[in-house]
Amino acid sequence: SQTIHQWPATLVQPVGSPLSLECTVEGTSNPNLYWYRQAAGRGLQLLFYSVGIGQISSEVPQNLSASRPQDRQFILSSKKLLLSDSGFYLCAWGTLRTDTQYFGPGTRLTVL
Amino acid sequence: RKEVEQDPGPFNVPEGATVAFNCTYSNSASQSFFWYRQDCRKEPKLLMSVYSSGNEDGRFTAQLNRASQYISLLIRDSKLSDSATYLCVVPNQAGTALIFGKGTTLSVSS
Repeated sequence: SQTIHQWPATLVQPVGSPLSLECTVEGTSNPNLYWYRQAAGRGLQLLFYSVGIGQISSEVPQNLSASRPQDRQFILSSKKLLLSDSGFYLCAWGTLRTDTQYFGPGTRLTVL
Repeated sequence: RKEVEQDPGPFNVPEGATVAFNCTYSNSASQSFFWYRQDCRKEPKLLMSVYSSGNEDGRFTAQLNRASQYISLLIRDSKLSDSATYLCVVPNQAGTALIFGKGTTLSVSS
């Protein structure tokens, strides 16, 4: 069966600091991978998706970036965090872009 | 019309009640629809997929009305454990991504 891992579970960072969140998937090959953000009281916002190694598409321009160095690894980064980057970051995997997606446990980021 | 829209609730019901949520969508070409459940401070989890007119899984029934462009989720015999936020999910107009509704909050009390 497939499993998806994210870490860390929670993170408190000062404004201007860098960020690196990691997501790995087990039990499947060549998955589509997604990064979402859920701000308090708001819906899920798609940030990035990837259909393969090194292939990243950005949905929302911002100070975040994503990379996919291996087939089942997806990384979300920032060089300098903003207060508005606070939120619940979720990684997901799927097989088709408009079919079922499965989420990792998420990282709750607070930028102070 | 927004790509996906849900009544935010909250819906407060007693145990054993039947409750229904509606979700409207704008993409008339959508072929797949999903309901996810999200517990407080947790990740969304797939509850049900809908590819045709509807789907049923135990106490949960999803119905699709293509003419009026809405999908509904019916929960029968509500349990305390059903308390959560239910997200309606549909493909976007371009058919390139899923759009998640903001969710409907259900609170079941004893």
